Amino acid sequence: QSALTQPRSVSGSPGQSVTISCTGTSSDVGGYNYVSWYQQHPGKAPKLMIHDVSKRPSGVPDRFSGSKSGNTASLTISGLQAEDEADYYCCSYAGSYTSGVFGGGTKLTVL
Amino acid sequence: QLQLQESGPGLVKPSETLSLTCTVSGDSIRSISYYWGWIRQPPGKGLEWIGSIHFSGSTYYNASLRSRVTVSVDTSRNQFSLKLTFVTAADTAIYYCARVGYSSFDPWGQGSLVTVSA
Repeated sequence: QSALTQPRSVSGSPGQSVTISCTGTSSDVGGYNYVSWYQQHPGKAPKLMIHDVSKRPSGVPDRFSGSKSGNTASLTISGLQAEDEADYYCCSYAGSYTSGVFGGGTKLTVL
Repeated sequence: QLQLQESGPGLVKPSETLSLTCTVSGDSIRSISYYWGWIRQPPGKGLEWIGSIHFSGSTYYNASLRSRVTVSVDTSRNQFSLKLTFVTAADTAIYYCARVGYSSFDPWGQGSLVTVSA
């Protein structure tokens, strides 16, 4: 499977909202409602922020939300905070015999 | 609280076999609902799923690595393992283990850096 496409970087000021896109195909993002998003701070392991397109695990602030339209999924972070500065990766189920395909990652800078 | 911890050599010679073990604590690896997986991240690069295993022994592998990868499970020790053969410098990466749902990986281990070098 090919990696999902994410912008290399996005930025926003504290309090603003940013959206990170994740584009795949009908064989992955568009074909299933199994998109997840991960936050990774430098030197740390990734942390699950969103699963099943729009569901937040316990403990994840409701400032983080997910959605999907066609072959593109999106992660929106509202009320940006300094601690949101990190790399973000999307991942999609891509059918039987695979656990998922990742996006290339997006670096979020909080200005 | 479910925790995962990777262990294994941090340095492997080219053409040799990389071996890592993930120890699961806080829950049984014998969960019908989940697989257990390996993901890697080359320095400064993105994430790549390697392979996953169910406690029953069912496995899925990334097609690009399938010929060199074996993931196995030891339910008596609550562990699962990764073997990657014929490694090259391109296999240098942080290797993570994680519990696997339908495309969601949670939680993750802290990661284990493996360097391939003579």
